[in-house]
Amino acid sequence: GQSLEQPSEVTAVEGAIVQINCTYQTSGFYGLSWYQQHDGGAPTFLSYNALDGLEETGRFSSFLSRSDSYGYLLLQELQMKDSASYFCAVRDSFSGNTGKLIFGQGTTLQVKP
Amino acid sequence: DVKVTQSSRYLVKRTGEKVFLECVQDMDHENMFWYRQDPGLGLRLIYFSYDVKMKEKGDIPEGYSVSREKKERFSLILESASTNQTSMYLCASSPDRGRNNEQFFGPGTRLTVL
Repeated sequence: GQSLEQPSEVTAVEGAIVQINCTYQTSGFYGLSWYQQHDGGAPTFLSYNALDGLEETGRFSSFLSRSDSYGYLLLQELQMKDSASYFCAVRDSFSGNTGKLIFGQGTTLQVKP
Repeated sequence: DVKVTQSSRYLVKRTGEKVFLECVQDMDHENMFWYRQDPGLGLRLIYFSYDVKMKEKGDIPEGYSVSREKKERFSLILESASTNQTSMYLCASSPDRGRNNEQFFGPGTRLTVL
């Protein structure tokens, strides 16, 4: 089957660095994505990794290791507004080009003062 | 600015009513999706559509149907609403052969069935 695992909750303090891990199991692999969702809001796309290595976008970075079926989202210089749920996602390898994604259960990040 | 809109932000219905949730996207995307989100259960796919009049069941289609008569509009129908369908419903769209697995989400409809 296809599945993703990520921790359910992470807590960190303002200004710190936090890493949210994601391990996946898929038949074929078409990249790992990350989404952010604030309480009561819609998920928004953060990043995408198709190849091994680190992709940086401002305070957020995302890493992928295809050989380990593993990725993480790294948030630096944490701010209170980073408190949100973070989902990793992979494309369903059995659905062709439909864009269907399989999402992890989500990690709730709580940033404390 | 790309946009996915949903017909209602909040909706209250009675058990047994037929409920229509509408979603419209202005990005000319081929793919559209309906999810429900419940605390602790993440995003669960109900139905998706990859073209006009085409639809596929997701992970939890029971009790739901969909309609896609026009490319920009994807409707979710609860034929006879039940209390266990109280949830947040999210619509999303994505382009065919999208390069980065990005889906664009609407603001969601919080449905309460009494």
